Amino acid sequence: DAKTTQPTSMDCAEGRAANLPCNHSTISGNEYVYWYRQIHSQGPQYIIHGLKNNETNEMASLIITEDRKSSTLILPHATLRDTAVYYCIVRVLQETSGSRLTFGEGTQLTVNP
Amino acid sequence: DTGVSQNPRHKITKRGQNVTFRCDPISEHNRLYWYRQTLGQGPEFLTYFQNEAQLEKSRLLSDRFSAERPKGSFSTLEIQRTEQGDSAMYLCASSLQGALSTEAFFGQGTRLTVV
Repeated sequence: DAKTTQPTSMDCAEGRAANLPCNHSTISGNEYVYWYRQIHSQGPQYIIHGLKNNETNEMASLIITEDRKSSTLILPHATLRDTAVYYCIVRVLQETSGSRLTFGEGTQLTVNP
Repeated sequence: DTGVSQNPRHKITKRGQNVTFRCDPISEHNRLYWYRQTLGQGPEFLTYFQNEAQLEKSRLLSDRFSAERPKGSFSTLEIQRTEQGDSAMYLCASSLQGALSTEAFFGQGTRLTVV
């Protein structure tokens, strides 16, 4: 699985959009970009994933650059409950590896009142 | 609650003792994973089951660690002769096999403290 680079920490004001960047310059053509988050003392929670196209769900939007070397997770209206560590993961979907995930250190997002 | 359930939530044990953790995955999920997470780090993969078969083990899983999933439903992770370095959060996750299998669902973890 390709390596990702994320900022160690970010701050965001409550109600504003939080834009979390991720670099994955060595991503392969068959690797997906996944985002998970982990609120303190809880297990990681899936947010969104994508291959090439931008994706949106009820939690967030994922913007992937055309060359796929970086992506941005957007939380459109951050709340205090969005304070968490956000992990960007790239992986190949293979039947033999299941959903095994390789986590980095992630970005600590702090949403301030 | 139909999510992934882990028990106990917290475990304090003396060095050298054996401990066992249990994970109950989402009922229709045939894949089950164990991860370990130490303070300030992301989770690290330990092992993975598809139904009752253990298909992959990380080098992190020393011979003191053993995981089972006897009937393809719940799983147990046992640590023998615990060491202080085993202190960590042990996370279980489950997912559904599929050509484009998507997300894994995680439990809240078992926090182990070895004193």
